Amino acid sequence: AQSVTQPDIHITVSEGASLELRCNYSYGATPYLFWYVQSPGQGLQLLLKYFSGDTLVQGIKGFEAEFKRSQSSFNLRKPSVHWSDAAEYFCAVGAGGSGNTGKLIFGQGTTLQVKP
Amino acid sequence: SQTIHQWPATLVQPVGSPLSLECTVEGTSNPNLYWYRQAAGRGLQLLFYSVGIGQISSEVPQNLSASRPQDRQFILSSKKLLLSDSGFYLCAWSRGLAGGKETQYFGPGTRLLVL
Repeated sequence: AQSVTQPDIHITVSEGASLELRCNYSYGATPYLFWYVQSPGQGLQLLLKYFSGDTLVQGIKGFEAEFKRSQSSFNLRKPSVHWSDAAEYFCAVGAGGSGNTGKLIFGQGTTLQVKP
Repeated sequence: SQTIHQWPATLVQPVGSPLSLECTVEGTSNPNLYWYRQAAGRGLQLLFYSVGIGQISSEVPQNLSASRPQDRQFILSSKKLLLSDSGFYLCAWSRGLAGGKETQYFGPGTRLLVL
């Protein structure tokens, strides 16, 4: 069965520091991978996605993620964090194939706190 | 462009009362539609999804039901709310493409508090 693990429930970084949020997935075939961000009391906004091709994916707000098949990982990175990046981040995996309904499996989320 | 709406934004209901949450999508046709619940401090749990009018799949047994009376309308209901139904309810849509290469887009959510 598909699953997604975000090992870090809570991360605190200083403004201007680099950031890496970890995501590990379990899926037999090539997965479709996503990162979403959620500000308090809001819906989820898509940061980036990987379907195929280049394993380094660029997203909005200066984020990027790298798909590493050998490690079953899709870690999210940002070189310099801004205070406005404080939010909850969700990794998700989807299954391809005919007849698939596009369902996603989400990780439990990582809450990012940014220190001034 | 496509937009997704949810209402109400916030709802406080007594235990045992009925529930109806509505989600509508604009700017697309025949989308896949999804209902998620997000309990405090937890991730997202898929409750229902729909690939067409009148077609509802339930992911977990529970006190809730869903309906899709129109192409771009998705309703989450309950006849009698439980305390455990409290949470943040998110609706999402995707284009309904063959092969499952789907991106889901989320609405603003409804916060439900059952007292």
